[in-house]
Amino acid sequence: DTGVSQDPRHKITKRGQNVTFRCDPISEHNRLYWYRQTLGQGPEFLTYFQNEAQLEKSRLLSDRFSAERPKGSFSTLEIQRTEQGDSAMYLCASSPWRDRGPSEQFFGPGTRLTVL
Amino acid sequence: KQEVTQIPAALSVPEGENLVLNCSFTDSAIYNLQWFRQDPGKGLTSLLLIQSSQREQTSGRLNASLDKSSGRSTLYIAASQPGDSATYLCAVPTSGTYKYIFGTGTRLKVLA
Repeated sequence: DTGVSQDPRHKITKRGQNVTFRCDPISEHNRLYWYRQTLGQGPEFLTYFQNEAQLEKSRLLSDRFSAERPKGSFSTLEIQRTEQGDSAMYLCASSPWRDRGPSEQFFGPGTRLTVL
Repeated sequence: KQEVTQIPAALSVPEGENLVLNCSFTDSAIYNLQWFRQDPGKGLTSLLLIQSSQREQTSGRLNASLDKSSGRSTLYIAASQPGDSATYLCAVPTSGTYKYIFGTGTRLKVLA
């Protein structure tokens, strides 16, 4: 078990470009979360998957943001037409199935996005 | 709407002190509460998860308590060490969803 991995670790892009991030969860975990974190703040929930189904989305996830988990394993988060306000750390977490309610989350190292 | 507050925002202590970090939440209908540690520029490391039916959880020098009725949790760190310096975050899931709400964290510095 290698934990949750994210790629890339750092991304610098120009305003208006599209970017895509990847998250590989712990292999037996069927739940996957994306968060965004800005300096001095706690992570903000973006979206949640159970297997391949996207079950919750935050209002923070504007039309420019899309997330997928096509085979219930890895997930991608795409940001289209990036803006300087998108600069943040994007965190992925996974958790195992539990018969009732949310379970313990395990986080990846994050992808630091800088939009120039 | 669930809101999570952590006090103090920052704390600086000499090595060896026992210390308490506080987390309060507004909606007591929670499944669990999780404490994390975050080093600068890194992801979050899970420290302790307390289920709603539990009052305490312990791991090494860490002890977390939960009082659902008052909407509070505390993280107790015994015999603090410089390596404990980090930001400590608590998180609770919003009632009826899988959406976790985080506090803004307590930034801890342990001086050698």
